[in-house]
Amino acid sequence: DGGITQSPKYLFRKEGQNVTLSCEQNLNHDAMYWYRQDPGQGLRLIYYSQIVNDFQKGDIAEGYSVSREKKESFPLTVTSAQKNPTAFYLCASYPGIGETQYFGPGTRLLVL
Amino acid sequence: RKEVEQDPGPFNVPEGATVAFNCTYSNSASQSFFWYRQDCRKEPKLLMSVYSSGNEDGRFTAQLNRASQYISLLIRDSKLSDSATYLCVVNAMEYGNKLVFGAGTILRVKS
Repeated sequence: DGGITQSPKYLFRKEGQNVTLSCEQNLNHDAMYWYRQDPGQGLRLIYYSQIVNDFQKGDIAEGYSVSREKKESFPLTVTSAQKNPTAFYLCASYPGIGETQYFGPGTRLLVL
Repeated sequence: RKEVEQDPGPFNVPEGATVAFNCTYSNSASQSFFWYRQDCRKEPKLLMSVYSSGNEDGRFTAQLNRASQYISLLIRDSKLSDSATYLCVVNAMEYGNKLVFGAGTILRVKS
């Protein structure tokens, strides 16, 4: 089955710790995105990548980092600089012109 | 002003009712428009695209008014399974096809 997978489903972070969220797709999409969703708010763009080995900051990139070494994978690291990391993190990919983005099942990050 | 604004609701309606959601967007350069559905604690899923001429998919009808920068979604004959949050989404074709999301409108259909 083609699709987008994210792991883990739930992640707990201790103060001062960096954590990495996984996003994998086998849809052969070039573009991938990371969003954050907080209660009562719309999704906000953290980072996006239109092609392998290239990525751009979104609206709320501070405290986050990404890599795009393979077309299929776009991991997101939440660093200790992100002071309010508790949120629902969603990864998406984009097939191309005339289409829209499709989402993975998400990762809930909680701070201990 | 938010880029995409929606009435948060909740809209509480009985089964069989017709309900309409509205959405306004601020960027007149926006090119593509969508309605997504999001169930509790799940990812958003595409419900339908919105075209200038209006479009229908079964019980769902979407309308776009570019002059007023206004998008609507009409649900007829509501089902219990329609209960969800409906997200109005706009693609401004910038930032690598960045999508801008409204905060969502909550629909609760009751028997």
